[in-house]
Amino acid sequence: SQQGEEDPQALSIQEGENATMNCSYKTSINNLQWYRQNSGRGLVHLILIRSNEREKHSGRLRVTLDTSKKSSSLLITASRAADTASYFCATAEDNYGQNFVFGPGTRLSVLP
Amino acid sequence: NAGVTQTPKFQVLKTGQSMTLQCAQDMNHNSMYWYRQDPGMGLRLIYYSASEGTTDKGEVPNGYNVSRLNKREFSLRLESAAPSQTSVYFCASRGSRGFFEQYFGPGTRLTVT
Repeated sequence: SQQGEEDPQALSIQEGENATMNCSYKTSINNLQWYRQNSGRGLVHLILIRSNEREKHSGRLRVTLDTSKKSSSLLITASRAADTASYFCATAEDNYGQNFVFGPGTRLSVLP
Repeated sequence: NAGVTQTPKFQVLKTGQSMTLQCAQDMNHNSMYWYRQDPGMGLRLIYYSASEGTTDKGEVPNGYNVSRLNKREFSLRLESAAPSQTSVYFCASRGSRGFFEQYFGPGTRLTVT
């Protein structure tokens, strides 16, 4: 089962614009992670937000977490062509933080 | 420091053949994972190993076996390949303290005809 579900499935924006992706999950979590995947490559970790945090920043990335709605959002500000990639959220379903579930991802295209 | 390495990068098998995908990490991580990624989809967990000597099933374990050979190496075996196992396979590792991020290998693209 897909615990993390991102939307939109695909997003196309111009360079310099902001991109927002959303993720929903079903069970209680200890943390939620966002990853980026460039075409044909492995995933790269972007940011982790713990269940007791509501917002976290890292460079041009801003992540929010709403545990009451079981949802998270990833905002990329001032996007660049190099941000073109697929973005996935991931949560761990088990208490030990091992059994990870990834959503289907959002494909972001940043046009120059 | 190579991170997570996987071999082979590409493989074509005929239905019924067997093969082993190799994964190694040099970060002294306790936990290791095998995922598959089908076109346009997220990753699905096949098996994981929380520490040397232990393995557990993930979401889609049927048709696969794993071996945690030592702390560095975690292999995935397909005993009798089926076309439904055509996919890209990723290995990942993770540190043991807290809920640290996973580090992924470059993937193995497997086609079963």
